[in-house]
This record gives sequence, structure tokens and C-alpha cells, in this order.
Amino acid sequence: GESVGLHLPTLSVQEGDNSIINCAYSNSASDYFIWYKQESGKGPQFIIDIRSNMDKRQGQRVTVLLNKTVKHLSLQIAATQPGDSAVYFCAETTGTASKLTFGTGTRLQVTL
Amino acid sequence: DAGVIQSPRHEVTEMGQEVTLRCKPISGHNSLFWYRQTMMRGLELLIYFNNNVPIDDSGMPEDRFSAKMPNASFSTLKIQPSEPRDSAVYFCASSFSGFIDSRLWTDTQYFGPGTRLTVL
Repeated sequence: GESVGLHLPTLSVQEGDNSIINCAYSNSASDYFIWYKQESGKGPQFIIDIRSNMDKRQGQRVTVLLNKTVKHLSLQIAATQPGDSAVYFCAETTGTASKLTFGTGTRLQVTL
Repeated sequence: DAGVIQSPRHEVTEMGQEVTLRCKPISGHNSLFWYRQTMMRGLELLIYFNNNVPIDDSGMPEDRFSAKMPNASFSTLKIQPSEPRDSAVYFCASSFSGFIDSRLWTDTQYFGPGTRLTVL
């Protein structure tokens, strides 16, 4: 996995703008995907999930899009707020395996 | 509703000492996972249990690491002897798992706050 910290890709957005965080996965057998948010000094926090029989799922201010053809996952955050600043991880698994594989984290910085 | 509880939150020890990390999963969850997070390797799964039974320990670094789950509400991760390269944040996560059509599926994993371990 990629390192958390100095080499994390960073997305900088202004407060109120929409954010899009992307994730590529490699296992075509993966059928369950999760986005986690990790704030400094805390454990990863579940945001939203999606199963492979769907291509879009919406939550409160967040939307996850799944494109199985190109093995791509994205997290959209509407009206980004300072409290959204964190590292975001996508994770994939086959439901049978129970083993999450975490992708490269993306650091989201919200500027005022 | 309490989430996953881990203790201690911070541990500083000297090389060669035994370290024990503790985890209480969310009540009703039957799967428990131990992860390690470092700057260089990100989040790595060390071991996971289902119904108190270790299912996959292929991520455990070496024999110095051991994990137990004596009951549904408690698990430990032990490092003996500890080494400086073990310094990391160790997370415990829990979830509910069940069988559908003879296939084990796992619901969302919920993480604890982590234990930051420093081995001098």
C-alpha cells in the first residue's frame, strides 16, 4: 500500500465547492467497495459503501460512483466544509474474503 | 452506542519488552480485525477472527506477533519481544459476518481509535 503522509496525493478545494476523489482498483473480482475518512489521530471512519450490482449510491452530501468496466471508484462531496478535511481511503473486497484492501489515500484540504 | 474500544491509546516501550494491545469490538459483531498503519506501508491487515476463531493470519509479520480472542467481546494483539520497526498505529475493527448461499460475507468494518505504539 501507499504511505500515509508525505507522499499522499492532495486535493485542495475551496469551502463550498464540490470535491471529487478518485480511486482505481485492480481486482476485477471485488464486489464490495467502501470509502473511509481518516482524520488526524483517529481511526478510519465509514462514509459510504457500494456493491458491484450498483453504479451509484448517494448519502448525505456524498455520492459514490462505480465504473466496473474501468475498475474506477469515485467519491463526490457536495458543498465541501472545513470538517471534511481528512485523508480519504477507498477499500475493496470480495464479500467472501472479508479482507479489505485499502487503496492509496488522498488528502483533502479545504481552504476558506 | 459505544464503538470499538482500544487500549491503551498510546504505548511507549523499550526494545525487547512485551507489548499487549487490547480491543473490545462492537456488541453483536462477530468478526474482528487487527490492522497496522505506518507511513511507509499504509494500512495492513494483520489478522482477522470470525466467531472468535482466527480465519486468516497471513498478515502477521512474524512469530513475535500473536493474537487471541478468548470471547466475543475481547481480543489482544501481543508483540514479544518488541522491536523499533514495530512502531506504528495499530487499529482494531469489527463487523458482522454471515453466510449467504454457503458464502461468508462481511458487512462494513468499523474501526477503533487506534493504539500508537512507539518502541525505543
